[in-house]
Amino acid sequence: KQEVTQIPAALSVPEGENLVLNCSFTDSAIYNLQWFRQDPGKGLTSLLLIQSSQREQTSGRLNASLDKSSGRSTLYIAASQPGDSATYLCAVRNQGGKLIFGQGTELSVKP
Amino acid sequence: KAGVTQTPRYLIKTRGQQVTLSCSPISGHRSVSWYQQTPGQGLQFLFEYFSETQRNKGNFPGRFSGRQFSNSRSEMNVSTLELGDSALYLCASSKTGPNEQFFGPGTRLTVL
Repeated sequence: KQEVTQIPAALSVPEGENLVLNCSFTDSAIYNLQWFRQDPGKGLTSLLLIQSSQREQTSGRLNASLDKSSGRSTLYIAASQPGDSATYLCAVRNQGGKLIFGQGTELSVKP
Repeated sequence: KAGVTQTPRYLIKTRGQQVTLSCSPISGHRSVSWYQQTPGQGLQFLFEYFSETQRNKGNFPGRFSGRQFSNSRSEMNVSTLELGDSALYLCASSKTGPNEQFFGPGTRLTVL
């Protein structure tokens, strides 16, 4: 059974700092991995999608990497801003088609 | 291009009642998935529909059901509501199943 873990559960950093969020999964037979952000009480916003054949994806200040063999993905946020404060979720799509989510990392960026 | 829309945004029901939630996917998207989000369990997959057929199902009781119409709009039904069904119900659409998923704002269901 696929399990997705995100560490840390919460993170507080000063504005301007570069940071890394971690995601690990137990079954490496994934189809793709997607990073989302969720603001309180809102839906999910897709940030980056990495196919299983890819190693990384970049969008603006965000860079996501994927190491399928070790069951790990990281989301790197450069030059963090208070507007980046949100919960970040990683989700893996297994070969059966289901999207399995981690519990999320709650990020707070302080001015 | 309009995003995924969900109606209603908020619902209050009492135990034993039933509820129907609606989701309109992004134009051109044929896959619709439903998720339940609670503080204790996080985000859990309910089911996925593609071209009016249920393609995947999560581990939820039969009280949770869904359907998809020919225009790709989807509805989710929960019968005999329980207090534990209180949650944010999220719908997501994609062009086909394994592609990037785009989420709606969710329906906040409160069961009293």
